[in-house]
Amino acid sequence: GDSVTQMEGPVTLSEEAFLTINCTYTATGYPSLFWYVQYPGEGLQLLLKATKADDKGSNKGFEATYRKETTSFHLEKGSVQVSDSAVYFCALRTSHSNYQLIWGAGTKLIIKP
Amino acid sequence: GAGVSQSPSNKVTEKGKDVELRCDPISGHTALYWYRQSLGQGLEFLIYFQGNSAPDKSGLPSDRFSAERTGGSVSTLTIQRTQQEDSAVYLCASSLVRGQFSNSPLHFGNGTRLTVT
Repeated sequence: GDSVTQMEGPVTLSEEAFLTINCTYTATGYPSLFWYVQYPGEGLQLLLKATKADDKGSNKGFEATYRKETTSFHLEKGSVQVSDSAVYFCALRTSHSNYQLIWGAGTKLIIKP
Repeated sequence: GAGVSQSPSNKVTEKGKDVELRCDPISGHTALYWYRQSLGQGLEFLIYFQGNSAPDKSGLPSDRFSAERTGGSVSTLTIQRTQQEDSAVYLCASSLVRGQFSNSPLHFGNGTRLTVT
C-alpha cells in the first residue's frame, strides 16, 4: 500500500545551519505531496505542496522538490531560525486512495541559538 | 469563522464515561478527517468522510469509537466507556476534494485535548 517514510528525529541544529529532512514515499499512481508543520502548542498547518513531478513547493524559506525518479520530497532550508523549531510531517494523497492522506511519522526539529 | 472549529478544546472525564467531540468543518468542504495524536507522537488516522461515500472507518481502534457526519457538515466523534489510554489530542481536519480541487490541503482544527482520569 501507499506509505511515507521520514527521517527519525529529533533533528538538532544551530541557528543559521542548513536543514534537510528526508521524505520518501511509495504510492500507486501520481500522488500529490505535502509538508505540514506543527509549532509547539499549535495545530497542524500546511507548509508547502507539490502536485506533479519536478514541481517545487516553497514557503517561509523552505523548499521541497517532487522527485519521481527517487520517489522523494525532501524538505530543505538554507538558514534555519529558532522559530523553525517544530514537528514536520510529510504526507501524500492520491485519487487511488480516495484522497485519503497518508502521513509520515513526523520529524521533530530543534534549533538552538 | 473561516476555519475548522472543534469543541470542547479540553475535556477531562472519568474512566468508563462516554464523551462526544464535535467538529465544524469549513463550509463546503466535502472531506472530513479525524486523527488522534498522543503526546510526542505522530498522527493516528481514525476515520474519513468523503462526500456521500461510505466512511473509511479502518483507523478506529475499537468498537468503543464511532463517528457520524450529519448533513455532510458537522461531525461528532463518540468514545464510549473511556479508558486511560484514550487520553490524547483528537484532531479534525477538512478539505475540498472535488474536481480541480482534488489536491487541496487539509485545514486542521486546534483539537480537543481529552484526559481520562
